[in-house]
Amino acid sequence: GEDVEQSLFLSVREGDSSVINCTYTDSSSTYLYWYKQEPGAGLQLLTYIFSNMDMKQDQRLTVLLNKKDKHLSLRIADTQTGDSAIYFCAETLNYGGSQGNLIFGKGTKLSVKP
Amino acid sequence: DADVTQTPRNRITKTGKRIMLECSQTKGHDRMYWYRQDPGLGLRLIYYSFDVKDINKGEISDGYSVSRQAQAKFSLSLESAIPNQTALYFCATSDDLSYEQYFGPGTRLTVT
Repeated sequence: GEDVEQSLFLSVREGDSSVINCTYTDSSSTYLYWYKQEPGAGLQLLTYIFSNMDMKQDQRLTVLLNKKDKHLSLRIADTQTGDSAIYFCAETLNYGGSQGNLIFGKGTKLSVKP
Repeated sequence: DADVTQTPRNRITKTGKRIMLECSQTKGHDRMYWYRQDPGLGLRLIYYSFDVKDINKGEISDGYSVSRQAQAKFSLSLESAIPNQTALYFCATSDDLSYEQYFGPGTRLTVT
């Protein structure tokens, strides 16, 4: 079945860049997403990339997509303590009766040390 | 006002009790989802609904049932709660174009 893999933990110092990596399995995924979950809250969409793009930049966030290797990364520049959260990678299913459903990774907990 | 709301936000119940979690949305989306989140396991899909008459089981539907009362409302029931159903439950909605999902704030359920 489809699967999304990401490392569970990442620790960085304030001001450094953070890079969260993700691998996915469905090569036909149309969109790939990064969601952020702050403590005690639901998931919020951080950014997404369409499958025909290699890179997307949005202020401090840079998303890189390598379709050949099915690898997605999220880079956060100048990481702040407020960026401490769990980050989920997700891919879309594009077949069958569940088309459009998302498959989520287990989440990467980002800890930012002052 | 929040686009996706869930009630209750927290609930403690005893083994064997029936409990219902409710979700309402003002996004006008046809698609709605119920997930549970457990530490280290990420989000797992319980049930999903593409419209009022279309309800489907997800990855972990055993022990749960759902009702789609209207486009805006999707409720999740635990007919006889058990301790391993202790988790954080999320409702989400999405449209048919970008498939971006919008999440509610979650319900923390504890079964003792």
